[in-house]
Amino acid sequence: GENVEQHPSTLSVQEGDSAVIKCTYSDSASNYFPWYKQELGKGPQLIIDIRSNVGEKKDQRIAVTLNKTAKHFSLHITETQPEDSAVYFCAASPWGSQGNLIFGKGTKLSVKP
Amino acid sequence: DAEITQSPRHKITETGRQVTLACHQTWNHNNMFWYRQDLGHGLRLIHYSYGVQDTNKGEVSDGYSVSRSNTEDLPLTLESAASSQTSVYFCASSGGRGTEAFFGQGTRLTVV
Repeated sequence: GENVEQHPSTLSVQEGDSAVIKCTYSDSASNYFPWYKQELGKGPQLIIDIRSNVGEKKDQRIAVTLNKTAKHFSLHITETQPEDSAVYFCAASPWGSQGNLIFGKGTKLSVKP
Repeated sequence: DAEITQSPRHKITETGRQVTLACHQTWNHNNMFWYRQDLGHGLRLIHYSYGVQDTNKGEVSDGYSVSRSNTEDLPLTLESAASSQTSVYFCASSGGRGTEAFFGQGTRLTVV
């Protein structure tokens, strides 16, 4: 089955710097890759997603890139702010599923003022 | 506004007891999921359902069961609670493949 690896597990940056989180997946047939942000005591919330027919997608300070050949995708956050501090999860939707998501283990991002 | 709610938010139970966690969504989504979240493991899929009367096992289904008698609810039952099932449980729903999954606020379960 699908396996998603996520790195790093923790990331600390200064406010205003960029942050990059990387994920790899094993099932070449997976075609939907969302990113979720989880704040303390809350459920994960979708921040951006990308489908396999697209190489890059941006939404203000957040961007996601996908390399299907290498089976990896990355989350880029520019001009980080303290409110970006949270745990971020990448996920992949395996081929044949109707919406199951296999998650990476998460990255705890800390943005220092 | 549509939402997904879990209850209770916190529960302490004893080893061997049967426990049921509730999940209710008003999105009218066909897909519903249960995940558990543990430090170092991220979110792992327990069970999922694609519609009424449909249930499927996820990667960590042993010791858990679900039933889907209507669109809105997917209760998760721990048949005989074990300390290894101490975790935070999240329910989610989605409209289908490639669509956003909405998560509940989570249930923190402690088995003593």
